[in-house]
Amino acid sequence: AQSVTQPDIHITVSEGASLELRCNYSYGATPYLFWYVQSPGQGLQLLLKYFSGDTLVQGIKGFEAEFKRSQSSFNLRKPSVHWSDAAEYFCAVGAQGGSEKLVFGKGTKLTVNP
Amino acid sequence: GAGVSQSPSNKVTEKGKDVELRCDPISGHTALYWYRQSLGQGLEFLIYFQGNSAPDKSGLPSDRFSAERTGGSVSTLTIQRTQQEDSAVYLCASSRRGSGNTIYFGEGSWLTVV
Repeated sequence: AQSVTQPDIHITVSEGASLELRCNYSYGATPYLFWYVQSPGQGLQLLLKYFSGDTLVQGIKGFEAEFKRSQSSFNLRKPSVHWSDAAEYFCAVGAQGGSEKLVFGKGTKLTVNP
Repeated sequence: GAGVSQSPSNKVTEKGKDVELRCDPISGHTALYWYRQSLGQGLEFLIYFQGNSAPDKSGLPSDRFSAERTGGSVSTLTIQRTQQEDSAVYLCASSRRGSGNTIYFGEGSWLTVV
């Protein structure tokens, strides 16, 4: 069964600073990988996804993520954070075939200081 | 509809009462998922439907929880004899096939058991 670890529960950055949110997954084959964002009181919005091919994936709102098979990682990055990026970020892994459910990490809460 | 629709958006119920939460997926989406999100926790998988069948119900926490889907569309999650620990946001999601395709989430049903 697949699993996801987001090592950082809470991260604080200053507006304009760069951001990297860590995600490590466990799965025996090539996974499907996702990053979702959840603003307070809102549902989850998909930022980006990796299925195959180019390991550097571009998403919405200026986010990108890089799939590194050797490190079992799928870290989310943004070169310059905006105050509106303050939210909770969830990494998720899906399996090919079978249940096809997504397994989520526990999330990283991002605070942006002015 | 344009997105995944859930009702009610908020529900306060007394301990011991039964509740029903409804999910209307995006039209044409055959896969439907229920997740639970407790305060400060990540998303906990409950059940996955493909059409009207539930090939994976491994996440249902107890026999007080059940779900059905009819007509390959609307799904109802039922919690019997609610307990205070059932208080959470219940999120529904849908996709065209499974995690190989993008999963879209509703805004959730906030359940409070008093």
